[in-house]
Amino acid sequence: EDKVVQSPLSLVVHEGDTVTLNCSYEVTNFRSLLWYKQEKKAPTFLFMLTSSGIEKKSGRLSSILDKKELFSILNITATQTGDSAVYLCAGGPNFGNEKLTFGTGTRLTIIP
Amino acid sequence: NAGVTQTPKFQVLKTGQSMTLQCAQDMNHNSMYWYRQDPGMGLRLIYYSASEGTTDKGEVPNGYNVSRLNKREFSLRLESAAPSQTSVYFCATTANYGYTFGSGTRLTVV
Repeated sequence: EDKVVQSPLSLVVHEGDTVTLNCSYEVTNFRSLLWYKQEKKAPTFLFMLTSSGIEKKSGRLSSILDKKELFSILNITATQTGDSAVYLCAGGPNFGNEKLTFGTGTRLTIIP
Repeated sequence: NAGVTQTPKFQVLKTGQSMTLQCAQDMNHNSMYWYRQDPGMGLRLIYYSASEGTTDKGEVPNGYNVSRLNKREFSLRLESAAPSQTSVYFCATTANYGYTFGSGTRLTVV
């Protein structure tokens, strides 16, 4: 059975801090690892990683994948209150266009 | 705006009642999915459809049925609702590079 595990379950930090969110996976025929941000409603896409060691960046957010050790991390630097959300990690057998297995998420709260 | 539209947004059912959750996408994608999201459980796949005319079970299909009416529409039916089906339901579609989700349906079964 495919499995994606995220840690920590929740995290509370002060504005301006840097945070690291973790995701480990066991997915049959794994090819891609995706990160989503979920505020009050539907998850929104952040990154998709398919190759080991290549960092994807978007502003203050970055992510890297380790296919040998079967994990990914999501870093957020200089956190802002708008970063408060649940961050979801998902693994799949193709490039994000087939069924995904999701982790339970990390709830990040940024204190002003 | 292109995207995924789900209806209704909220619904309260009594145990044993039936209902259909509707989902439509205007992104011309082949694949569509139904997930449920429960506290502490993450998103779990109920059913998916890789293309018009095909449907397959996901991780938690019991108590649900689906219909892929055409390329745009993928509906989820609860024939006899149970309290265990209280959840938030998301429809999604994808071509490449990740899912686009609908805004969700919050369903409560009492």
